[in-house]
Amino acid sequence: SQQGEEDPQALSIQEGENATMNCSYKTSINNLQWYRQNSGRGLVHLILIRSNEREKHSGRLRVTLDTSKKSSSLLITASRAADTASYFCATDARGNEKLTFGTGTRLTIIP
Amino acid sequence: DAGVIQSPRHEVTEMGQEVTLRCKPISGHNSLFWYRQTMMRGLELLIYFNNNVPIDDSGMPEDRFSAKMPNASFSTLKIQPSEPRDSAVYFCASSLNRGRENEQFFGPGTRLTVL
Repeated sequence: SQQGEEDPQALSIQEGENATMNCSYKTSINNLQWYRQNSGRGLVHLILIRSNEREKHSGRLRVTLDTSKKSSSLLITASRAADTASYFCATDARGNEKLTFGTGTRLTIIP
Repeated sequence: DAGVIQSPRHEVTEMGQEVTLRCKPISGHNSLFWYRQTMMRGLELLIYFNNNVPIDDSGMPEDRFSAKMPNASFSTLKIQPSEPRDSAVYFCASSLNRGRENEQFFGPGTRLTVL
């Protein structure tokens, strides 16, 4: 299986609710990143968390990292219709700038 | 800055034809990545360059695929001959490799259909 795997594969919630997506990986990492992809578009970087960090915030985004469990979560608070997209986690091995992307979570916000 | 520029945005070709995809990275970025995205396989890294030098091409599917970066502002991904299974969206991304933080900026992609 892939280095990064998101869970769930698909998520539908009502606008205004919080959305939580999880990512698991297998090897030691330098940092973990989350990206968003709108339909038919390229990926857009959202947030980066370093391996020595446990939590990071950016606007309505909150990311946690548990290196002992090799997992990360992305929380989007007060979701909006515009948050509808696929979300990917990406990891890089120590000393290597190559990113390995997960399989993605398809998030649908219902107005 | 205009971001990463890719051309063409859409390409439809027949099996056996040569396909060339083009990418202009963000000015000042020193790393460039080519990815392929399909429903079945997700997002796969094909090859990446650092300072115009290919660093890792282990993701290139086979000899039909080749990539070049003749200068810091231009890269090509060529498929010759193309096959229907090459149909996918091909993304180019660039980054400024600053050691620990390597956020990547993606282009809009080229949607390739091989008939």
